[in-house]
Amino acid sequence: DIQMTQSPSTLSASVGDRVTITCRASQSVNSWLAWYQQKPGKPPKLLIYKASGLESGVPSRFSGSESGTEFTLTISCLQPEDFATYYCQQYSSYSLYTFGQGTKVEMK
Amino acid sequence: EVQLVESGGGLVQPGGSLRLSCAASGFTFSDYWMSWVRQAPGKGLEWVANIKNDGSDKYHVDSVRGRFTISRDNAKNSLYLQLDYLRADDTAVYYCARLGGLSSGACDLWGQGTMVTVSS
Repeated sequence: DIQMTQSPSTLSASVGDRVTITCRASQSVNSWLAWYQQKPGKPPKLLIYKASGLESGVPSRFSGSESGTEFTLTISCLQPEDFATYYCQQYSSYSLYTFGQGTKVEMK
Repeated sequence: EVQLVESGGGLVQPGGSLRLSCAASGFTFSDYWMSWVRQAPGKGLEWVANIKNDGSDKYHVDSVRGRFTISRDNAKNSLYLQLDYLRADDTAVYYCARLGGLSSGACDLWGQGTMVTVSS
């Protein structure tokens, strides 16, 4: 099974900060990596697909990148509405999807 | 409006059964793979199952295989999850999700979720 290790689990930041969240896969996922944002009591929202593709309607301050089996979500200039929990997900095979443990971005 | 609406959750005793439904609208349901994802209270997301657009392929996470079954009825634009032999650790919000086109498998559309509580 492919394991996804996401870090940090909690991140304290201020409005305007540049924020980086990392996700490492235990084996190759061939760029089939997505990032989601979830706010309390709401379903997740797709931000990034295929490691770096920006989902329609998502602000351009969100970006994704990859280096081998390490993936990064960057928020270039944190906005008040960005305080939320973020999850990575590998979807390299329809037979087994895996989420990371989540990163809560909280106000410093 | 493009949307997914889940129903069927509730309180059930350990060992009991439930059938969750997800009604799709605003898009051609039969074109898409679909998924169930759950989230235990205060915990992270866990993928539960996927089903191919025509229902011919189904996959379940190990922890539910043999107890849960994903299915669909394209004529009714509906996705289902049959939950049998329920355990306390199955308590969660269950979301249905569409596996998207451009995203080629990421969950690009989510329902609001339905709560399943397993307790005596």
